Amino acid sequence: EPEVTQTPSHQVTQMGQEVILRCVPISNHLYFYWYRQILGQKVEFLVSFYNNEISEKSEIFDDQFSVERPDGSNFTLKIRSTKLEDSAMYFCASRPLPTTEAFFGQGTRLTVV
Amino acid sequence: AQSVTQPDIHITVSEGASLELRCNYSYGATPYLFWYVQSPGQGLQLLLKYFSGDTLVQGIKGFEAEFKRSQSSFNLRKPSVHWSDAAEYFCAVGAYGGSQGNLIFGKGTKLSVKP
Repeated sequence: EPEVTQTPSHQVTQMGQEVILRCVPISNHLYFYWYRQILGQKVEFLVSFYNNEISEKSEIFDDQFSVERPDGSNFTLKIRSTKLEDSAMYFCASRPLPTTEAFFGQGTRLTVV
Repeated sequence: AQSVTQPDIHITVSEGASLELRCNYSYGATPYLFWYVQSPGQGLQLLLKYFSGDTLVQGIKGFEAEFKRSQSSFNLRKPSVHWSDAAEYFCAVGAYGGSQGNLIFGKGTKLSVKP
């Protein structure tokens, strides 16, 4: 069964460093998302991406964040200068059509030290 | 404001007992409703969804949920809980149309199962 794949599963980085989280959405999907879940808290929407541009973003998604679909398969989330409070589980999701459910990846646990 | 409320942070039930997890939402448009399950260290797995039609929806692993518009609720039920159901359960609401479709999640309910 097709699935959304995220790498790495766990990344540790020093405060101030740049990180790139990678996702391979399901191949025929058109809509892509990033969510995050700070430990013990709810899952929060960060950004949606469609037709090679951001379609919606939350207040969390400030200038430190960017997304890219550099080729036909990968979807990346970049944090330019990580802060301690960026430590969280980051989930990528994709869906084929507007009227279908989103499929989530297994997540990347980011730890900023 | 759009929101999802899961009033129970933690529920413990005995194996074989019935289960109901509560979810209330506040949403301006016709909602699309979802229940996801997250096992420790794992991602989010879709249990079931409601888009339209029959308000009682069946999902995987023997779960079902009922959409009650008048109560703005979408409670998750299972008649007989198994030890493997121990996990965290998230209710989510979204609107699907155009290129948008971000979900709003509740804070989750952690389910523990006693032998």
